[in-house]
Amino acid sequence: AQTVTQSQPEMSVQEAETVTLSCTYDTSENNYYLFWYKQPPSRQMILVIRQEAYKQQNATENRFSVNFQKAAKSFSLKISDSQLGDTAMYFCAFIHMDSNYQLIWGAGTKLIIKP
Amino acid sequence: SQTIHQWPATLVQPVGSPLSLECTVEGTSNPNLYWYRQAAGRGLQLLFYSVGIGQISSEVPQNLSASRPQDRQFILSSKKLLLSDSGFYLCAWTRGQGTETQYFGPGTRLLVL
Repeated sequence: AQTVTQSQPEMSVQEAETVTLSCTYDTSENNYYLFWYKQPPSRQMILVIRQEAYKQQNATENRFSVNFQKAAKSFSLKISDSQLGDTAMYFCAFIHMDSNYQLIWGAGTKLIIKP
Repeated sequence: SQTIHQWPATLVQPVGSPLSLECTVEGTSNPNLYWYRQAAGRGLQLLFYSVGIGQISSEVPQNLSASRPQDRQFILSSKKLLLSDSGFYLCAWTRGQGTETQYFGPGTRLLVL
């Protein structure tokens, strides 16, 4: 079975610090995509970053970057210079090419940025 | 650009009443459409997905149903709501070909009393 595991239910850091959220996944597929979504208190689900499994280069989006380790099936999210607006639930998700685009979701990590 | 709408934003319904939640997408054609439910503090549970008009696949047996009467419209329904149907319902879309990113609507908060 394909699964996504986020081992940190909750984390908190001071504003401007760097924080890393962990995610591991299990699959026998070779072609797949990985995502981090953010869900702030408004509960709208917002795409943060996406990684194609066939790309060795780690994806980056401004202050957000990933550490993608394909062999280890690990996909961590690093947030640099954290801001109060980064406070949210963060979900890691996985999809493979033949799944009719059905995402497999982790349980989420609640991230609190303290002033 | 593409946008996705959901309504209503909030709904309070008595047990046993019917339900109809609507999702529409603008700015694209032939999208894949998805209904998810999220209980408080939990992850997302896929309920239904659709790859075209009239084509619905169900992931979880329940008293909910979905329909896709038009290309960019996806409706979640129930004939009789249960207390356990309370939650946050999210609609999402993705392009039918070539991209795998799902984009979400603002969601509907449903409270069944």
